[in-house]
Amino acid sequence: GNSVTQMEGPVTLSEEAFLTINCTYTATGYPSLFWYVQYPGEGLQLLLKATKADDKGSNKGFEATYRKETTSFHLEKGSVQVSDSAVYFCALREANNLFFGTGTRLTVIP
Amino acid sequence: NAGVTQTPKFQVLKTGQSMTLQCAQDMNHEYMSWYRQDPGMGLRLIHYSVGAGITDQGEVPNGYNVSRSTTEDFPLRLLSAAPSQTSVYFCASSRGAGEKLFFGSGTQLSVL
Repeated sequence: GNSVTQMEGPVTLSEEAFLTINCTYTATGYPSLFWYVQYPGEGLQLLLKATKADDKGSNKGFEATYRKETTSFHLEKGSVQVSDSAVYFCALREANNLFFGTGTRLTVIP
Repeated sequence: NAGVTQTPKFQVLKTGQSMTLQCAQDMNHEYMSWYRQDPGMGLRLIHYSVGAGITDQGEVPNGYNVSRSTTEDFPLRLLSAAPSQTSVYFCASSRGAGEKLFFGSGTQLSVL
C-alpha cells in the first residue's frame, strides 16, 4: 500500500538555524511527492513538489529532493524565520488519492 | 478571490444528529475532495469527486455521504453523527486529480 512516514515533532529552532524534516514513503508505483504547510487557523497550502526521481522541489527557501533509492523526500531550509512556524505535511499522490503524513509542527523562536 | 469556501467554521452536534458541511469553489476546478484531520494521524481522504455527477470513496468513507450536482459545490453529509467523527474537516479542490490542491480553512466539528 501507500503510506508516508515523517519525523515526529514538535521541532523548536532558533531563528536562522538549519531545518531538516525527514519524510520517507512506501508506494506501489511511481508517485509524485509533495510538502504542504499549514499555518495556524488555516487550511493546507502547497509548499513544493517533485514528480520523478532526482527532481528537486523548491519554494520560499525550502528544498526537497525526490530520492527513489532511499524512498525519501526530506524537507530542508538553510535559515529558518519566525514566520516559518507552522505544521508541515509530507504527502504522496498516486492515481486520484493524496496520502499525507502525520505532520510535523515547527516553532521558530527569535 | 474566494477560492475554496467552507461553512460552518465550527459546529457542535449531539450523537445521532445529522448535518451537512458545505464546500464551494469558484475556480472551475473539476476535482474536489474531503479530508478529516485528527491528532497524530495527519489528513485522511473521506470522499472525492473528479467532476460533476461523479463521486468515489477515499480512505475513510464510512458514516459520510457526498454528492456533486454542480462543478462548484461538494457537500459532505453526516447522516447520524458519532463521537468518532469529532475532527477537523477540510475541503480541497484542484484543476485535475493530480494538480495542486487548494484547501478551505476547515470546519471544526465536535460530536457529544
